[in-house]
Amino acid sequence: EVHLVESGEGLVQPGGSLRVSCAASGFTFRNYWMHWVRQAPGKGLVWVSRINGDGSDTRYADTVKGRFTISRDNAKNTLYLEMNSLRAEDTAVYYCARSATGSGVDWGQGTLVTVSS
Amino acid sequence: NFMLTQPHSVSESPGKTVTISCTRSSGSIASNYVQWYQQRPGSSPTTVIYEHNQRPSGVPDRFSGSIDSSSNSASLTISGLKTEDEADYYCQCYDTDSTTWVFGGGTKLTVL
Repeated sequence: EVHLVESGEGLVQPGGSLRVSCAASGFTFRNYWMHWVRQAPGKGLVWVSRINGDGSDTRYADTVKGRFTISRDNAKNTLYLEMNSLRAEDTAVYYCARSATGSGVDWGQGTLVTVSS
Repeated sequence: NFMLTQPHSVSESPGKTVTISCTRSSGSIASNYVQWYQQRPGSSPTTVIYEHNQRPSGVPDRFSGSIDSSSNSASLTISGLKTEDEADYYCQCYDTDSTTWVFGGGTKLTVL
């Protein structure tokens, strides 16, 4: 069974940095593209970033480009999102998600990032 | 880039059938698979339909998905509504040009 467990929840001041992680199990991690999706309080789902299986190709939403960095450690079966220059509008629950052809998308339980002074 | 537009809310009675639409603003709805996610209050999303009309194991056959090229839209249909179906539903598909995901704004389903 696929398990995705996010961690790194925290309260950060505007302009600060935070790294959230996603520990994966139940599948061969290196074979799958992975995504970060966020949801601001009371709002809808918004795609943030994705990375291919070996980490050589990444993409970002325009709203986070240049501030966020997605990466992965296939030896540790872990996905990361390094967030810098955080703004109040980055406050959200951050979900990691596995994209799998033929079986849909698997989601983690999410981790809350709050940007406030 | 394109957008996916969903109705903000729909409501229906238990036992009835409801359909939620998802209209693509440009490009063909058939050119990229559409997924549908259910999100109950306080929970993370779960997949109820993938690749236009496929159900993950464990999702009841009351849930079905389809696409309509004439209206350039996808639809999620839930029959035999139960109170447990009350949730937010999101459509999503892959943008081939940018290799990113695009989400619809979400539809709140009320079963009353």
